[in-house]
Formats: sequence, structure tokens, C-alpha cells
Amino acid sequence: GNSVTQMEGPVTLSEEAFLTINCTYTATGYPSLFWYVQYPGEGLQLLLKATKADDKGSNKGFEATYRKETTSFHLEKGSVQVSDSAVYFCALKTGGFKTIFGAGTRLFVKA
Amino acid sequence: EAQVTQNPRYLITVTGKKLTVTCSQNMNHEYMSWYRQDPGLGLRQIYYSMNVEVTDKGDVPEGYKVSRKEKRNFPLILESPSPNQTSLYFCASSLNGQGSTPLHFGNGTRLTVT
Repeated sequence: GNSVTQMEGPVTLSEEAFLTINCTYTATGYPSLFWYVQYPGEGLQLLLKATKADDKGSNKGFEATYRKETTSFHLEKGSVQVSDSAVYFCALKTGGFKTIFGAGTRLFVKA
Repeated sequence: EAQVTQNPRYLITVTGKKLTVTCSQNMNHEYMSWYRQDPGLGLRQIYYSMNVEVTDKGDVPEGYKVSRKEKRNFPLILESPSPNQTSLYFCASSLNGQGSTPLHFGNGTRLTVT
């Protein structure tokens, strides 16, 4: 079946450090891929998405590239800020109605 | 402002006492869904609805009921709550539930069943 695997957290970084959160997936067909972010006390919100192979999604300095050959969608940011502290979820969606989420990766950024 | 509104934000109840968590969206979305979030498990889908009067089970439907009598509302009903339903619940909606349309989430309801 379809599934999403994310690196376990928490990830702790100093401000201005480089961020990578790994995400790999298993899916039949050609899924759309998403990163959602959850700030403390809030619901998830879409951070970025990519709908086909080699697409790059980007938003707020975050980027992720849809790699079909490695079935990956790793999240990166060149210089993190304290305000980026949150839980990040990788997710996929195939042609049906279901979105499948990874377990989430908590990021702490220290000043 | 486009939003998904859940109520209440926090709820403490006892085993067996029926409860309803409300969810409303103002974006005229066709698709609505309920998830529960538990540590280490991510989000798991409870039920979803493709449109008015059309609902279907997700991955963990046991112990829950839903209804979709109006497009904007999708309440989650726990007829006889048990402690294993203690969790953080999210309602979400999207335009039509298909393709690459993203989900819009409410702020969550933290439920504790003692």
C-alpha cells in the first residue's frame, strides 16, 4: 500500500543553520507530494507541494524536489529562523480521496 | 477570512458520555475529513465526505460517527467515548478532494476521556 516515511525527530538546529528533513514514499501510480507545517497550538497548513517528477515546490525559503527515481521529497531550507520551530509533515495523495501523512518531524531552532 | 472552525478546542469527558465535535468551513468546499493525531503515528483518517449526504470510512472509523447534512458542516460524533479515543482531532476540507488540491485544517480539538 501507499506510505510515507520521515526522519525521526526532534531535529535541533541553531539559527541560520541549513535544514534537511528527509521524506521517502511508496506509492502506486504518480502521487502528488506535499509538505505541511504545524505551529504550536494550530492546525496543519500547506507549506509547499509538487505534482510531478522533477517539480520543485517552494515557499517561505523552503524547497523540496519531487524525485521519482529515489521516491523522495526532502525538505530543505538554507538558513532557519527561530520562527521555523514547528512540526513538519510529509504527505502524498494519489488519484483517490485519501491523503497519507508521515509521522511528522519536530524542529527546534535555538537563537 | 477563509477558514475551518472546530469547537470546542479542549474537551474533557468521562467514558460513555456521548459527545459531538463540530466542524464548519466557509470556503464552499465539497470534501471534508476528520483525522486524529497521536504521537509517533502522524495523522490517521477517521471519516471523510465527498459531498452532502456522501460519507465513507477512513483508516480508523471504529467508535466514531459522522454526518453531512449541509455542505459547510461535518460534525464528529462519539456515541460512547472510551479512553483510547483520547487524542488530538483535526477537521480538514478541500475544494474537491481530488488531484493535488491541498487540505485546509482547523485548529484542532484536544479530547481527554477518563
